[in-house]
Amino acid sequence: DIQMTQSPSSLSAFVGDRVTITCRASQSISSYLNWYQQKPGKAPKLLISAASSLQSGVPSRFSGSGSGTDFTLTINSLQPEDFATYYCQQSYSTLTFGGGTKVEIK
Amino acid sequence: QVQLQESGPGLVKPSETLSLTCTVSGGSVSSGSYYWSWIRQPPGKGLEWIGYIYYSGSTNYNPSLKSRVTISVDRSKNHFSLRLSSVTAADTAVYYCAKGYCSSSSCYIFDYWGQGTLVTVSS
Repeated sequence: DIQMTQSPSSLSAFVGDRVTITCRASQSISSYLNWYQQKPGKAPKLLISAASSLQSGVPSRFSGSGSGTDFTLTINSLQPEDFATYYCQQSYSTLTFGGGTKVEIK
Repeated sequence: QVQLQESGPGLVKPSETLSLTCTVSGGSVSSGSYYWSWIRQPPGKGLEWIGYIYYSGSTNYNPSLKSRVTISVDRSKNHFSLRLSSVTAADTAVYYCAKGYCSSSSCYIFDYWGQGTLVTVSS
């Protein structure tokens, strides 16, 4: 299986900060990388597909980049509603998710 | 807009079979080139893909669970189901059903999810 490693596993940030989350694949996955946001007690919500394609209705402060093995999710000007856990997911082979990054209020 | 709703027992005994159903509304399990999927999340942990059934009826399972998993579809009821046999405490999790699709540059993109249902394995 392809292992997905997210870093950091958690971070604290202020409202208005720029936040970057990294996801690294154990082998090349081209752009078969999706990002999700999960709030406590809720199902994950799709943010970005194909590494950089923003889903309809998702604020433009969210962006994704990368290809091959290294990917980044960036949140510009963090908002109160962005405090959540973020997961990457590769769909190149047997589907696997990263371990998650919890974004907390500083 | 597609909506998914999981249903089934919240408590299953060890060694027995976990059975859940996902009812789909606002869309059809028989059309649209979609992958109707099950994903689970143990309490306080990350997400694990269990498997999917394609709209055509073909299935694909996570190799780590393949020997114990069956996903099926009932087109007349517009729902799909999960059966996981020989459960242990390690199978305790929130189980989600989700709709997946492929774009031109990625696949198995889960754009709609059910709210999730907690299944506890305990005697």
